[in-house]
Amino acid sequence: AQTVTQSQPEMSVQEAETVTLSCTYDTSESDYYLFWYKQPPSRQMILVIRQEAYKQQNATENRFSVNFQKAAKSFSLKISDSQLGDAAMYFCAYSITSGNTPLVFGKGTRLSVIA
Amino acid sequence: SQTIHQWPATLVQPVGSPLSLECTVEGTSNPNLYWYRQAAGRGLQLLFYSVGIGQISSEVPQNLSASRPQDRQFILSSKKLLLSDSGFYLCAWSVGHSGNTIYFGEGSWLTVV
Repeated sequence: AQTVTQSQPEMSVQEAETVTLSCTYDTSESDYYLFWYKQPPSRQMILVIRQEAYKQQNATENRFSVNFQKAAKSFSLKISDSQLGDAAMYFCAYSITSGNTPLVFGKGTRLSVIA
Repeated sequence: SQTIHQWPATLVQPVGSPLSLECTVEGTSNPNLYWYRQAAGRGLQLLFYSVGIGQISSEVPQNLSASRPQDRQFILSSKKLLLSDSGFYLCAWSVGHSGNTIYFGEGSWLTVV
């Protein structure tokens, strides 16, 4: 069964600095999707970024970028120029590409941003 | 554009009472629908998902049930709530061509007292 592991329950970063959140996953599939979701204090889950495994280029979305290491099954999220609004729970998630398969989520990393 | 609505936003129910949480999606057809639960300070637990009307897959056996009476409506129910049912419930949807990206509703806080 596929699993997603986020080894950092909590992280903190100074405002304007850069922080990297770690995620590893276990799968025997060759093609799949990886996601990072953000859950701010409002509890609304928001998609941050998505990576398709067959694409070698790392996805970027403004200040958010990923470091996708397929062989190592690693998918870290880098937040540059951190802002107070980035404070949230961040969840890494995995999905195979075929069929209507639900996402598998990690347990989350709580990010605090220090002014 | 697609939207998802979930209600009620907050619910306080006594132990043993019934539950009904509703979710509707607009702006798309034949979506995949999901119910997740998030206990306090913890990750997301998939409860049910549905790929079509009347098609429900249960991930965790418990006293909750789900139904999909219409294409874009998903309902989470219980006949008798337990204290352990307290948590934050999230409805979500996806469509196959979106690369399995799922989009979440605003969530419902359930406190069983």
